[in-house]
Amino acid sequence: GESVGLHLPTLSVQEGDNSIINCAYSNSASDYFIWYKQESGKGPQFIIDIRSNMDKRQGQRVTVLLNKTVKHLSLQIAATQPGDSAVYFCADRSGGSYIPTFGRGTSLIVHP
Amino acid sequence: NAGVTQTPKFRILKIGQSMTLQCAQDMNHNYMYWYRQDPGMGLKLIYYSVGAGITDKGEVPNGYNVSRSTTEDFPLRLELAAPSQTSVYFCASSWTSGNTGELFFGEGSRLTVL
Repeated sequence: GESVGLHLPTLSVQEGDNSIINCAYSNSASDYFIWYKQESGKGPQFIIDIRSNMDKRQGQRVTVLLNKTVKHLSLQIAATQPGDSAVYFCADRSGGSYIPTFGRGTSLIVHP
Repeated sequence: NAGVTQTPKFRILKIGQSMTLQCAQDMNHNYMYWYRQDPGMGLKLIYYSVGAGITDKGEVPNGYNVSRSTTEDFPLRLELAAPSQTSVYFCASSWTSGNTGELFFGEGSRLTVL
């Protein structure tokens, strides 16, 4: 079964607000996590990743936070733009495997 | 670089027909994957390959077959199409060295079985 799942299927925000997309995982052996963005009609695209020896990683307008104590991962998008509207997936890997497991995804809707 | 190229983009099959979804990558990646994505769901792994000549089952392999005769190509074969195989299929590839485990995805192949 899935080791990774998301708390909410849909998140609606206003343009310019910050967005937070959450992800819970159950596999204690998970040591690598990735966020992907999937725009309508396209394949998923890599956004940012984090290893289990870190608790925070920042990219351009995005930050990923990892809380291993409660097995929780979040993706924060600063100053959300209409172009950020998409489905966001978290994925994890464990134990030296290169095969990621994907959650169901959260649909982010950005209102102008 | 074209990245990961999938063909066809759309296909309608009748029950019992067979077809092959083509996937090619030009990044010299060793790992390749086939996922299916049903509406409102995540990605389910069908098959994967760690290199030419080596393939392994994923989570949902029944009804599918794959081959990996070259590093570049990883076709997915449906032998007897069933309505349950109506889905969007994504091929992906990755490189297993370096600092990231990023998968590079194709644009998808939308299959309808009637």
